Amino acid sequence: GAVVSQHPSWVICKSGTSVKIECRSLDFQATTMFWYRQFPKQSLMLMATSNEGSKATYEQGVEKDKFLINHASLTLSTLTVTSAHPEDSSFYICSARDDMQENGYTFGSGTRLTVV
Amino acid sequence: GENVEQHPSTLSVQEGDSAVIKCTYSDSASNYFPWYKQELGKGPQLIIDIRSNVGEKKDQRIAVTLNKTAKHFSLHITETQPEDSAVYFCAASMRSGYSTLTFGKGTMLLVSP
Repeated sequence: GAVVSQHPSWVICKSGTSVKIECRSLDFQATTMFWYRQFPKQSLMLMATSNEGSKATYEQGVEKDKFLINHASLTLSTLTVTSAHPEDSSFYICSARDDMQENGYTFGSGTRLTVV
Repeated sequence: GENVEQHPSTLSVQEGDSAVIKCTYSDSASNYFPWYKQELGKGPQLIIDIRSNVGEKKDQRIAVTLNKTAKHFSLHITETQPEDSAVYFCAASMRSGYSTLTFGKGTMLLVSP
């Protein structure tokens, strides 16, 4: 089946530094990928939709200069949390939509970010 | 936009019992309804999905039903096992090139031995 690899699975960084999270579709092409944020005991909150070769579309309230998204190929999207602060600590999850399947969404395993 | 309501927020059952989780959606244009299981510290895993041209779908112990008229769909797990314990999310999406999934708030299922 479709597999999405997300790395790292966890990361601890100091306040003020930047962290990059990678999301790769391993066996399918994904023109569109999605980035979610999940707080403890809550649902997934869509942050942005990443489209290969174009600018990402951010949801209302999500700072695009803080959460930089790059989708340079049909199998890779990255999320960079810039100038991280403790309030950015969260569980970040990516999802990729298979170009060849209708509604074929596959999720990555998530990244636990802790900013100290 | 789409709004998905999910109930209950927590569900405790004894091993071997059945579990039912219900969701309603608001946008009649939605036509794809997946269910995800999320274990602690992991990403959501698709367990079953249904499209609007089908009323029911079953996969071993798991089944999903869809009532388009009432705009609600349900997940049914029979013969529950402790390893079914997890958070379950329903979602809805429209058939379009740029559609996104709208998630319910999740149901924490606890299956006691």
